[in-house]
Amino acid sequence: DVKVTQSSRYLVKRTGEKVFLECVQDMDHENMFWYRQDPGLGLRLIYFSYDVKMKEKGDIPEGYSVSREKKERFSLILESASTNQTSMYLCASSLFPRGTGVASYEQYFGPGTRLTVT
Amino acid sequence: KQEVTQIPAALSVPEGENLVLNCSFTDSAIYNLQWFRQDPGKGLTSLLLIQSSQREQTSGRLNASLDKSSGRSTLYIAASQPGDSATYLCAVRGPWGAQKLVFGQGTRLTINP
Repeated sequence: DVKVTQSSRYLVKRTGEKVFLECVQDMDHENMFWYRQDPGLGLRLIYFSYDVKMKEKGDIPEGYSVSREKKERFSLILESASTNQTSMYLCASSLFPRGTGVASYEQYFGPGTRLTVT
Repeated sequence: KQEVTQIPAALSVPEGENLVLNCSFTDSAIYNLQWFRQDPGKGLTSLLLIQSSQREQTSGRLNASLDKSSGRSTLYIAASQPGDSATYLCAVRGPWGAQKLVFGQGTRLTINP
């Protein structure tokens, strides 16, 4: 079974703090993703990475950065946390497409981190 | 811009009923569609993935269909159980970025014993 783990289930931080959210997957997936989920807004992609040291912005990258030094680990960094970054953060991973006829593979999600910034 | 809609936002049915959840998308140029389940406060669990060339996929009591030309997918749940209570989300991938999923808002399903 694919396993995607996130470092914390619940996290409370103060405004202005630097926050690190860690995600680890054990299936040798090339792609890793960070989403946030908010009531009424659904899931929105923050950043994704398709290889070590490679990253691309998603739909809402402002206020966030990411780091992928090893294939299995993808970190989301809030440089200076703000109250509007209070949210549920979800990490996901998937294989990179191989061959023809298959555009992409299933994404597997971690359990989520509920971040509260006060 | 691709938009995904799930109606209704919430559904409550008695145990044992068969039910259908709906998902519609505005741009039919998709690569595939994925259905997920989310329990309260938890992450997403992948249920089924349908490639654009497929019409349906089945897993146990779940059957997902895809009509790409009309921009619709349905998730059929047979003989519903209280343990099926969760939020169900659909998401699509397409040429806007093959690794990027566009999600619907979800349908919150409650199965009453």
